[in-house]
Amino acid sequence: GQQVMQIPQYQHVQEGEDFTTYCNSSTTLSNIQWYKQRPGGHPVFLIQLVKSGEVKKQKRLTFQFGEAKKNSSLHITATQTTDVGTYFCAGPGRGSTLGRLYFGRGTQLTVWP
Amino acid sequence: NAGVTQTPKFRVLKTGQSMTLLCAQDMNHEYMYWYRQDPGMGLRLIHYSVGEGTTAKGEVPDGYNVSRLKKQNFLLGLESAAPSQTSVYFCASSRGAVGSYNEQFFGPGTRLTVL
Repeated sequence: GQQVMQIPQYQHVQEGEDFTTYCNSSTTLSNIQWYKQRPGGHPVFLIQLVKSGEVKKQKRLTFQFGEAKKNSSLHITATQTTDVGTYFCAGPGRGSTLGRLYFGRGTQLTVWP
Repeated sequence: NAGVTQTPKFRVLKTGQSMTLLCAQDMNHEYMYWYRQDPGMGLRLIHYSVGEGTTAKGEVPDGYNVSRLKKQNFLLGLESAAPSQTSVYFCASSRGAVGSYNEQFFGPGTRLTVL
């Protein structure tokens, strides 16, 4: 079945360092979404990418969607303690699974001062 | 708007007991979902609904039942709780399945412990 894989599972960085998480899908995606979950919280939608090769920025966060629409990345420049949390990517199902989102297992980011 | 709400926030059950988790959304969303989250396992889909009166199985449906009698509510039932069902349960909803409509809005979660 459709799968979304995400690496790394954990990342520990010092404040000010950069951080990147990578997402790969077993199938071509119509779009890809990114969510952030703070410790003890619930996942919150960050962004959706739709076009092949698309790059979007939100302040220090840069999101990319691969040319083949099967992979994506999230890069955070100069991490801050407020970036702590788990970042999930998710891709939509197709056909009989339309309506579902397939989530990666997430990358848990720890930032120490 | 309250968004997505979940009841209860915490619950402790004994093995074999039953319970129902309630999810409510006030955004008039068509789609609703139940996930469980365990350490290192990400979000695993239990059941979902594409509209009032419909339900479908997700990735880990065994031991759970659901009902969507009203568009705004999605109930998750555990008929005979087992320790393996100790988890954090999240409900989510989305407007639809296509394009920007499939952004999911999550509730605050229910932390369930089965002894």
